[in-house]
Amino acid sequence: KQEVTQIPAALSVPEGENLVLNCSFTDSAIYNLQWFRQDPGKGLTSLLLIQSSQREQTSGRLNASLDKSSGRSTLYIAASQPGDSATYLCAVRDSSYKLIFGSGTRLLVRP
Amino acid sequence: NAGVMQNPRHLVRRRGQEARLRCSPMKGHSHVYWYRQLPEEGLKFMVYLQKENIIDESGMPKERFSAEFPKEGPSILRIQQVVRGDSAAYFCASSSARGIYNEQFFGPGTRLTVL
Repeated sequence: KQEVTQIPAALSVPEGENLVLNCSFTDSAIYNLQWFRQDPGKGLTSLLLIQSSQREQTSGRLNASLDKSSGRSTLYIAASQPGDSATYLCAVRDSSYKLIFGSGTRLLVRP
Repeated sequence: NAGVMQNPRHLVRRRGQEARLRCSPMKGHSHVYWYRQLPEEGLKFMVYLQKENIIDESGMPKERFSAEFPKEGPSILRIQQVVRGDSAAYFCASSSARGIYNEQFFGPGTRLTVL
């Protein structure tokens, strides 16, 4: 059974720092991995989607990597800003088409 | 092109009442997925539907919960005789096809509170 774990559960950093969020999954037979952002009381915003054949994806200050063999993904945020404060969710897609989510990392970027 | 729409955004019910949550997929999308997010947890898959068909309901509680996606109109997630433990955010996602590389796009969610 696929399980997705995100570490740390919460993170507080000063503005301007570069930071890394971690996601691990137990079954490497995934089709893609997706990082989402969720603001309090809001829906999900898709940040990056990495297909299983890809190693990384970049969008602006965000870079996500995928290592299927070791069951890991990282989301790198460069030059963090207070507006980056949110919960970041990692999800993997398995052969049944469902997304399996981690519990998220709550990020606070202090001005 | 409007995104995935869900209504109501907030729903308050008393124990024992029924809750109906609606989801209109993105234009051109015929696949709908429902997920539930309990407080302080990640999203958990509930059910996957195509028009007039339930494809995978492995995440649905065995009792009181049902889902449909009729030929015309939105997908409906129905919870009968709600209990306090049903309080959660319910998210709907849609995709254009069944293929494994088709991205799911999420709606804003319905936050259900059971008093």
